[in-house]
Parts: sequence; C-alpha cells; structure tokens
Amino acid sequence: GNSVTQMEGPVTLSEEAFLTINCTYTATGYPSLFWYVQYPGEGLQLLLKATKADDKGSNKGFEATYRKETTSFHLEKGSVQVSDSAVYFCAARGDNNDMRFGAGTRLTVKP
Amino acid sequence: GAGVSQSPRYKVTKRGQDVALRCDPISGHVSLYWYRQALGQGPEFLTYFNYEAQQDKSGLPNDRFSAERPEGSISTLTIQRTEQRDSAMYRCASSLEATGTGGMALHFGNGTRLTVT
Repeated sequence: GNSVTQMEGPVTLSEEAFLTINCTYTATGYPSLFWYVQYPGEGLQLLLKATKADDKGSNKGFEATYRKETTSFHLEKGSVQVSDSAVYFCAARGDNNDMRFGAGTRLTVKP
Repeated sequence: GAGVSQSPRYKVTKRGQDVALRCDPISGHVSLYWYRQALGQGPEFLTYFNYEAQQDKSGLPNDRFSAERPEGSISTLTIQRTEQRDSAMYRCASSLEATGTGGMALHFGNGTRLTVT
C-alpha cells in the first residue's frame, strides 16, 4: 500500500521566514499527492494538490511540486504569517483509491 | 447539508460498551473513508467504501471494529466492547470519485471524539 513520510516537527519560524516541510511517498503507480492543513480547533482542509509528475500545486502562497524522480512533494512558502500556524499533513492517494497521511508537522509562526 | 456530517460530536462511554459512530457524506459522493486520529498524530486509515462496497478494511485494528454503508450513503463505524485505547478522534471523509487517479480530494467531517473511561 501507499505510505507517506514527512518532516517531524515542531517547526517554529519568525514571521516572513521561508518555510519548507519535506514529504516523501511510497506508492505503486502514479498517486495523486495532497497537502492538508488543520488549524487549531478545526478539521482537516485541503490546502493544495498535484496529480501527475512535475505538476505544481499552489494555494494561499504555499507551493509543492510533484517530483517523481525523488518521490517527493515538499511544501514551501516564501514568507510565512502568524495565521499560517497550524498542523500540515502530506497525503498520497494511489491508483487503488487508498489515501494515506503522514504524521503531520506542527508549524508555529511568531510575530 | 453541504459538508460531511458526523454524529455525535462527542461520545463518552464506559469500557466494555459498544458504540456506533455515524457519517453522512456529501450528497453524491461515491467514496467514503474512516480514519482515526490520535492527539498529535496524522489520520490513521481504517477502511473505505466505494458506494456500498467495502473496498479495504486492512486498517481496522481488530475484529471489534466494523463498518457498513448499506445504501451507499450514510456509514456507521461500530466498536464493540470498547477499551480505553480506543479513545481518539474518529474522522470520516468523502470523495466524489471512486478512483484515485483523478486527484479528487477528500472532504472531511468535524469528527467524533470518543472517550472510553
């Protein structure tokens, strides 16, 4: 089955710093890749996705590029804000419809 | 409603009791997933359905856990003879598509927080 490994947190950054959260996956075939975000006290929300190699997903200033050669889908943002403080989950959904999540990375952005 | 609805939001039960958790997916969504999320952890896959057919139940921890979706819409996750280690947030999600290759995302409900005392 699929599996996802993401950078363990917590990550603490100052406002306007650059963010990278690493994510690698193991899957058969060509999975679709996702980043979900969970703000404090809320449920999981889709942040961005990519469905094939070299696709770039983007939303709210966040980006991630589907790298098949390195089986990675790292999340980046050039300038984080306090409001970005949340837990971020990488996920992969394979050809068999099996959706698996990473353990999550907690981001705290300080003013 | 517009989103995935789960009930109850909170459930406190005594060890040894059975519990049933309900999920009402977005209307028309084909796939329905159950996950368990412990505090500080990512969602742990339990099982999923396409329509009424259970496609994969490999994530169910043991035979005390079962799920059904008899009419391809509402689903129930049942835990028999609950134990304290079953305490967690149980999340349901649905997806419009039945296959993963289209990149359709999962839409999550707010979850049911189960506490076994």
